[in-house]
Amino acid sequence: EAQVTQNPRYLITVTGKKLTVTCSQNMNHEYMSWYRQDPGLGLRQIYYSMNVEVTDKGDVPEGYKVSRKEKRNFPLILESPSPNQTSLYFCASGTGSDYTFGSGTRLTVV
Amino acid sequence: AQSVTQLDSQVPVFEEAPVELRCNYSSSVSVYLFWYVQYPNQGLQLLLKYLSGSTLVKGINGFEAEFNKSQTSFHLRKPSVHISDTAEYFCAVSAPFYNKLIFGAGTRLAVHP
Repeated sequence: EAQVTQNPRYLITVTGKKLTVTCSQNMNHEYMSWYRQDPGLGLRQIYYSMNVEVTDKGDVPEGYKVSRKEKRNFPLILESPSPNQTSLYFCASGTGSDYTFGSGTRLTVV
Repeated sequence: AQSVTQLDSQVPVFEEAPVELRCNYSSSVSVYLFWYVQYPNQGLQLLLKYLSGSTLVKGINGFEAEFNKSQTSFHLRKPSVHISDTAEYFCAVSAPFYNKLIFGAGTRLAVHP
């Protein structure tokens, strides 16, 4: 089954404690992306990747890092999380005309 | 670069009434257009998409949308809504050979009995 798998689904952490949200796809897509969803703001792009070792900033990259060492994986790293990063995060992969989303990760930073 | 504007943040409507959710886009190149739905506490589900061809696109759950290039719009319509259509709806745009999916801020549809 074609899918994007995100882990964990829920995460509560404390300010400053490094964390990684994993994202993996099994469709051999070149494009992968991370979004955050906040009420009234829709989904805003954090980072995206057009291929292995090719990443670029989206609209709200501050406080986040990504890496793309393999085609299937695109982890999102928060080196020093802050409460304003409390949000719902989605990973996606796609081809331009077809996108698949993960189930989301609800992150709370206290 | 592309951008998307959803003109209504909230749309209240009574059950069995028609509804239109408005979406305008901006792009210097040809576009692909999408509508996604997010039910409470769930992920994103594709309702329909326009890639090329017929400008009237039919999707799931009785929804349809019309691509209007001159108006740069892609409005979503349903002739008769149900309580179960209560959800948030997102319009999004990408472009051929440009795999970056950009979302609008969303429209919250509230269907009342």
